[in-house]
Amino acid sequence: QVQLVESGGGLVKPGGSLRLSCAVSGFTFSDYYMSWIRQAPGKGLEWISCITSSGDTIYYADSVKGRFIISRDNTRNSLYLQMNSLRADDTAVYYCARADYYGSVNFDSWGQGTLVTVSS
Amino acid sequence: EIVLTQSPGTLSLSPGERATLSCRASQSVSSSYLAWYRQKPGQAPRLLIYRASSRATGIPDRFSGSGSGTDFTLTISRLEPEDFAVYYCQQYGSSPMYTFGQGTKLEIK
Repeated sequence: QVQLVESGGGLVKPGGSLRLSCAVSGFTFSDYYMSWIRQAPGKGLEWISCITSSGDTIYYADSVKGRFIISRDNTRNSLYLQMNSLRADDTAVYYCARADYYGSVNFDSWGQGTLVTVSS
Repeated sequence: EIVLTQSPGTLSLSPGERATLSCRASQSVSSSYLAWYRQKPGQAPRLLIYRASSRATGIPDRFSGSGSGTDFTLTISRLEPEDFAVYYCQQYGSSPMYTFGQGTKLEIK
Protein backbone atom coordinates (compact mmCIF):
# COMPACT_ATOMS: atom_id res chain seq x y z
CA GLN A 1 0.00 0.00 0.00
CA VAL A 2 0.97 3.64 -0.33
CA GLN A 3 3.31 4.76 2.45
CA LEU A 4 5.04 8.05 3.15
CA VAL A 5 7.39 8.22 6.12
CA GLU A 6 8.95 11.50 7.22
CA SER A 7 12.09 11.76 9.31
CA GLY A 8 14.64 14.34 10.37
CA GLY A 9 12.60 16.52 12.70
CA GLY A 10 13.87 17.68 16.06
CA LEU A 11 14.89 20.63 18.18
CA VAL A 12 16.98 23.33 16.52
CA LYS A 13 18.06 26.81 17.58
CA PRO A 14 16.83 29.93 15.80
CA GLY A 15 19.00 30.55 12.75
CA GLY A 16 19.88 26.88 12.48
CA SER A 17 19.25 24.35 9.75
CA LEU A 18 17.55 21.00 9.45
CA ARG A 19 16.93 18.56 6.62
CA LEU A 20 13.73 16.57 6.47
CA SER A 21 13.31 13.39 4.45
CA CYS A 22 10.25 11.55 3.22
CA ALA A 23 10.65 7.95 2.10
CA VAL A 24 7.83 6.64 -0.03
CA SER A 25 6.73 3.19 -1.14
CA GLY A 26 3.76 1.49 -2.75
CA PHE A 27 3.54 3.71 -5.83
CA THR A 28 5.64 4.99 -8.72
CA PHE A 29 7.20 8.01 -7.05
CA SER A 30 8.48 9.53 -10.28
CA ASP A 31 4.91 9.89 -11.59
CA TYR A 32 3.73 12.28 -8.89
CA TYR A 33 4.08 15.88 -7.79
CA MET A 34 5.00 16.02 -4.10
CA SER A 35 4.54 18.72 -1.47
CA TRP A 36 5.50 19.65 2.05
CA ILE A 37 2.70 20.95 4.26
CA ARG A 38 3.11 22.09 7.83
CA GLN A 39 0.89 22.58 10.86
CA ALA A 40 1.93 24.77 13.76
CA PRO A 41 0.82 23.53 17.20
CA GLY A 42 -2.93 23.93 17.53
CA LYS A 43 -3.19 25.67 14.16
CA GLY A 44 -4.35 24.87 10.65
CA LEU A 45 -2.59 23.52 7.58
CA GLU A 46 -0.13 25.56 5.55
CA TRP A 47 1.22 24.39 2.19
CA ILE A 48 4.86 25.42 1.90
CA SER A 49 6.44 23.81 -1.16
CA CYS A 50 5.79 21.60 -4.18
CA ILE A 51 8.07 19.85 -6.66
CA THR A 52 6.99 18.42 -9.99
CA SER A 53 7.36 14.73 -10.79
CA SER A 54 10.66 15.18 -12.60
CA GLY A 55 11.91 17.82 -10.20
CA ASP A 56 12.29 20.44 -12.91
CA THR A 57 9.84 22.94 -11.43
CA ILE A 58 9.52 24.03 -7.83
CA TYR A 59 7.08 26.25 -6.00
CA TYR A 60 7.30 27.85 -2.57
CA ALA A 61 5.01 29.74 -0.26
CA ASP A 62 6.21 33.27 0.46
CA SER A 63 6.73 32.33 4.13
CA VAL A 64 9.63 30.00 3.28
CA LYS A 65 10.91 31.33 -0.05
CA GLY A 66 14.65 31.91 0.07
CA ARG A 67 15.09 29.83 3.23
CA PHE A 68 13.79 26.35 2.40
CA ILE A 69 14.78 24.12 -0.51
CA ILE A 70 12.70 21.19 -1.72
CA SER A 71 14.27 18.38 -3.71
CA ARG A 72 13.68 14.79 -4.68
CA ASP A 73 15.61 11.72 -5.69
CA ASN A 74 13.47 9.53 -7.89
CA THR A 75 16.07 6.76 -7.80
CA ARG A 76 15.75 6.60 -4.01
CA ASN A 77 11.97 7.24 -3.85
CA SER A 78 12.65 10.13 -1.51
CA LEU A 79 11.58 13.72 -1.01
CA TYR A 80 13.61 16.25 0.96
CA LEU A 81 13.22 19.65 2.58
CA GLN A 82 16.34 21.61 3.48
CA MET A 83 15.35 24.23 6.03
CA ASN A 84 17.75 27.11 6.68
CA SER A 85 17.58 30.27 8.78
CA LEU A 86 14.93 28.68 10.96
CA ARG A 87 12.70 30.89 13.06
CA ALA A 88 10.41 30.23 16.00
CA ASP A 89 7.37 30.48 13.75
CA ASP A 90 8.68 27.55 11.68
CA THR A 91 7.83 25.31 14.65
CA ALA A 92 5.33 22.80 13.31
CA VAL A 93 4.60 19.26 12.30
CA TYR A 94 5.83 18.85 8.74
CA TYR A 95 3.95 16.48 6.46
CA CYS A 96 4.97 15.21 3.07
CA ALA A 97 2.01 14.68 0.80
CA ARG A 98 1.38 13.21 -2.62
CA ALA A 99 -0.64 15.25 -5.09
CA ASP A 100 -3.31 13.44 -7.04
CA TYR A 101 -2.18 11.87 -10.30
CA TYR A 102 -4.61 13.47 -12.73
CA GLY A 103 -4.30 17.13 -11.93
CA SER A 104 -2.08 17.54 -8.88
CA VAL A 105 -4.82 19.70 -7.37
CA ASN A 106 -5.27 17.95 -4.03
CA PHE A 107 -3.38 15.63 -1.69
CA ASP A 108 -4.47 12.02 -1.69
CA SER A 109 -1.80 10.52 0.55
CA TRP A 110 0.01 11.95 3.57
CA GLY A 111 2.81 10.87 5.85
CA GLN A 112 2.41 10.81 9.62
CA GLY A 113 4.44 13.98 10.03
CA THR A 114 7.67 14.96 11.77
CA LEU A 115 7.86 17.64 14.45
CA VAL A 116 10.28 20.52 14.08
CA THR A 117 10.78 22.73 17.13
CA VAL A 118 12.76 25.96 16.78
CA SER A 119 13.75 27.25 20.18
CA SER A 120 16.78 28.49 22.04
CA GLU B 1 -4.32 35.17 -3.26
CA ILE B 2 -7.58 33.34 -2.71
CA VAL B 3 -8.60 33.13 0.94
CA LEU B 4 -10.85 30.31 2.11
CA THR B 5 -13.06 31.04 5.12
CA GLN B 6 -14.72 28.13 6.86
CA SER B 7 -17.76 28.35 9.08
CA PRO B 8 -18.66 27.73 11.74
CA GLY B 9 -15.39 27.60 13.62
CA THR B 10 -16.84 24.95 15.92
CA LEU B 11 -19.93 22.83 15.38
CA SER B 12 -21.45 20.90 18.29
CA LEU B 13 -23.67 17.99 17.30
CA SER B 14 -24.65 14.53 18.48
CA PRO B 15 -23.95 11.18 16.79
CA GLY B 16 -26.61 10.44 14.20
CA GLU B 17 -27.25 14.11 13.44
CA ARG B 18 -26.55 15.86 10.14
CA ALA B 19 -23.58 18.21 9.83
CA THR B 20 -23.25 21.03 7.31
CA LEU B 21 -19.87 22.74 6.97
CA SER B 22 -19.25 25.79 4.82
CA CYS B 23 -16.23 26.99 2.88
CA ARG B 24 -16.36 30.41 1.26
CA ALA B 25 -13.70 31.65 -1.16
CA SER B 26 -12.67 35.29 -1.56
CA GLN B 27 -12.74 34.80 -5.36
CA SER B 28 -14.39 32.27 -7.61
CA VAL B 29 -12.79 28.81 -7.46
CA SER B 30 -13.15 26.13 -10.09
CA SER B 31 -15.09 23.20 -8.69
CA SER B 32 -12.36 20.98 -10.08
CA TYR B 33 -9.95 22.54 -7.64
CA LEU B 34 -11.85 22.32 -4.34
CA ALA B 35 -11.23 19.50 -1.86
CA TRP B 36 -12.15 18.59 1.72
CA TYR B 37 -10.11 16.76 4.36
CA ARG B 38 -10.77 15.32 7.80
CA GLN B 39 -8.10 15.39 10.47
CA LYS B 40 -8.57 13.27 13.56
CA PRO B 41 -6.57 14.19 16.68
CA GLY B 42 -2.92 13.20 16.39
CA GLN B 43 -3.30 12.06 12.79
CA ALA B 44 -2.51 13.38 9.36
CA PRO B 45 -5.35 14.81 7.29
CA ARG B 46 -7.22 12.45 5.00
CA LEU B 47 -8.77 13.40 1.66
CA LEU B 48 -12.56 13.08 1.76
CA ILE B 49 -13.89 14.97 -1.25
CA TYR B 50 -12.19 16.18 -4.43
CA ARG B 51 -13.53 18.20 -7.37
CA ALA B 52 -16.02 19.64 -4.87
CA SER B 53 -18.31 16.61 -4.94
CA SER B 54 -16.41 13.39 -5.68
CA ARG B 55 -15.72 11.04 -2.79
CA ALA B 56 -12.18 9.82 -2.41
CA THR B 57 -11.35 6.12 -2.28
CA GLY B 58 -12.83 4.40 0.75
CA ILE B 59 -14.93 7.36 1.91
CA PRO B 60 -18.46 6.33 2.94
CA ASP B 61 -21.48 7.79 1.19
CA ARG B 62 -22.61 9.70 4.28
CA PHE B 63 -20.06 12.32 3.13
CA SER B 64 -21.11 14.57 0.28
CA GLY B 65 -19.79 17.79 -1.19
CA SER B 66 -21.49 20.48 -3.19
CA GLY B 67 -21.16 24.04 -4.35
CA SER B 68 -19.62 26.22 -6.99
CA GLY B 69 -18.07 29.61 -7.49
CA THR B 70 -17.33 30.97 -4.04
CA ASP B 71 -19.55 28.80 -1.84
CA PHE B 72 -18.90 25.16 -1.09
CA THR B 73 -20.44 22.78 1.44
CA LEU B 74 -19.48 19.50 3.06
CA THR B 75 -22.40 17.52 4.42
CA ILE B 76 -22.19 14.51 6.71
CA SER B 77 -25.62 12.90 6.71
CA ARG B 78 -25.43 10.86 9.91
CA LEU B 79 -22.55 11.52 12.24
CA GLU B 80 -20.50 8.56 13.43
CA PRO B 81 -18.16 8.78 16.44
CA GLU B 82 -15.09 8.88 14.18
CA ASP B 83 -16.44 11.96 12.38
CA PHE B 84 -15.79 14.23 15.34
CA ALA B 85 -12.62 15.87 14.10
CA VAL B 86 -11.38 18.97 12.30
CA TYR B 87 -12.32 19.53 8.66
CA TYR B 88 -10.42 21.62 6.14
CA CYS B 89 -11.28 22.80 2.69
CA GLN B 90 -8.46 23.35 0.20
CA GLN B 91 -8.15 24.94 -3.19
CA TYR B 92 -5.59 24.77 -5.95
CA GLY B 93 -4.60 27.99 -7.61
CA SER B 94 -1.59 30.16 -8.15
CA SER B 95 0.63 32.07 -5.74
CA PRO B 96 0.32 30.25 -3.47
CA MET B 97 -0.23 27.03 -5.33
CA TYR B 98 -2.48 25.55 -2.66
CA THR B 99 -4.42 27.17 0.18
CA PHE B 100 -6.40 25.73 3.06
CA GLY B 101 -9.28 27.11 5.07
CA GLN B 102 -8.69 27.63 8.78
CA GLY B 103 -10.73 24.56 9.68
CA THR B 104 -14.02 23.66 11.33
CA LYS B 105 -13.92 21.63 14.52
CA LEU B 106 -16.81 19.18 14.78
CA GLU B 107 -17.31 18.27 18.42
CA ILE B 108 -19.67 16.02 20.31
CA LYS B 109 -22.54 17.88 21.92
